[in-house]
Amino acid sequence: DGGITQSPKYLFRKEGQNVTLSCEQNLNHDAMYWYRQDPGQGLRLIYYSQIVNDFQKGDIAEGYSVSREKKESFPLTVTSAQKNPTAFYLCASSMVGKTNEKLFFGSGTQLSVL
Amino acid sequence: GENVEQHPSTLSVQEGDSAVIKCTYSDSASNYFPWYKQELGKRPQLIIDIRSNVGEKKDQRIAVTLNKTAKHFSLHITETQPEDSAVYFCAARSNFGNEKLTFGTGTRLTIIP
Repeated sequence: DGGITQSPKYLFRKEGQNVTLSCEQNLNHDAMYWYRQDPGQGLRLIYYSQIVNDFQKGDIAEGYSVSREKKESFPLTVTSAQKNPTAFYLCASSMVGKTNEKLFFGSGTQLSVL
Repeated sequence: GENVEQHPSTLSVQEGDSAVIKCTYSDSASNYFPWYKQELGKRPQLIIDIRSNVGEKKDQRIAVTLNKTAKHFSLHITETQPEDSAVYFCAARSNFGNEKLTFGTGTRLTIIP
């Protein structure tokens, strides 16, 4: 699988620490997304971006921040304000437009709290 | 905003039998309904999708049906095989162009050999 790469695969956060998850895509997709996956809760949207230098909050944005300085990159920062950060984080990308809704997912980052 | 409910949360079927997973959505403006499959330790992948202008779509052993009036849609897998074991997610998207999908909570399907 290629096209969208997440790193690291595993990440540990100390209390009070901010950590950043990387997401890079070479699919020339306009839209990028961050989802959080918890057991039994499906995929919940944290932030999404449809164009460079613009992004919108999803359903659970509190305690997270993002940037979209380049089309290829959409890093997610988990701040110390996120009190329950342990989860599996998935980045995704897609074209923008009615006929191009398919999401391409990265392989995920498992974040745990020390 | 959109709310998607998915049932059942777990499903076990004998190999060769059929499996059905059901989802309901709340926003009548939603017009796009994909299904994603996530095998253990892997990333979710799109397996089939349907738009609101059709009632049914098939692709080999999988099919999706949509009832706009009742606001529910279902995934049907026939002649199940061990490789169908995975977590399946339904999703819905409004036609207001914000490209935002709302996912259901997932169904863990286990195929019993």
